[in-house]
Amino acid sequence: NAGVTQTPKFQVLKTGQSMTLQCAQDMNHNSMYWYRQDPGMGLRLIYYSASEGTTDKGEVPNGYNVSRLNKREFSLRLESAAPSQTSVYFCASSEMAGREKLFFGSGTQLSVL
Amino acid sequence: RKEVEQDPGPFNVPEGATVAFNCTYSNSASQSFFWYRQDCRKEPKLLMSVYSSGNEDGRFTAQLNRASQYISLLIRDSKLSDSATYLCVVNINTNAGKSTFGDGTTLTVKP
Repeated sequence: NAGVTQTPKFQVLKTGQSMTLQCAQDMNHNSMYWYRQDPGMGLRLIYYSASEGTTDKGEVPNGYNVSRLNKREFSLRLESAAPSQTSVYFCASSEMAGREKLFFGSGTQLSVL
Repeated sequence: RKEVEQDPGPFNVPEGATVAFNCTYSNSASQSFFWYRQDCRKEPKLLMSVYSSGNEDGRFTAQLNRASQYISLLIRDSKLSDSATYLCVVNINTNAGKSTFGDGTTLTVKP
């Protein structure tokens, strides 16, 4: 009964380093999302995948890339990390895009020094 | 203007109080509405969907006013465990799948 699993839970990077955040869901959901949340703010959508094989930019895509590896997995890559990318990252999934409730992973706390 | 706006609070209320939060949205094409709860340093979790006719789940009541473009959440008989941040979420029902989150309203229930 795992739901949405994100790894890692914590990460510290130096400016310019790269890393990939992994996300997997076991609910057979079609849609997956990556959000970031900065202190005192709501969640902002980075990228989403409405269905397997498709990805689209959200509100704040600059500096990120994504891969929908298969129906279960959706990864987020930072090619050259910047301090402005220090944030908490949440992966989410929903049965279908648009109207369904979101299920979230437990988040990744990322610090870029 | 933000697409979804919430009063950030904080709302500090005693146990047993009734508290209400409002959330306004700017896009009249919005079709789906939700309230999520987020505990400190945790992921958001769905509290309840908001239906056109209004809906209730125990001590929680959600209402939608399409004419004025706002949704509300009423919590009756507040418990200590209700302390959290409440996020308003609005969807435009297209295949684009983009949910827009408010910044959240923080509630602290005190003994």
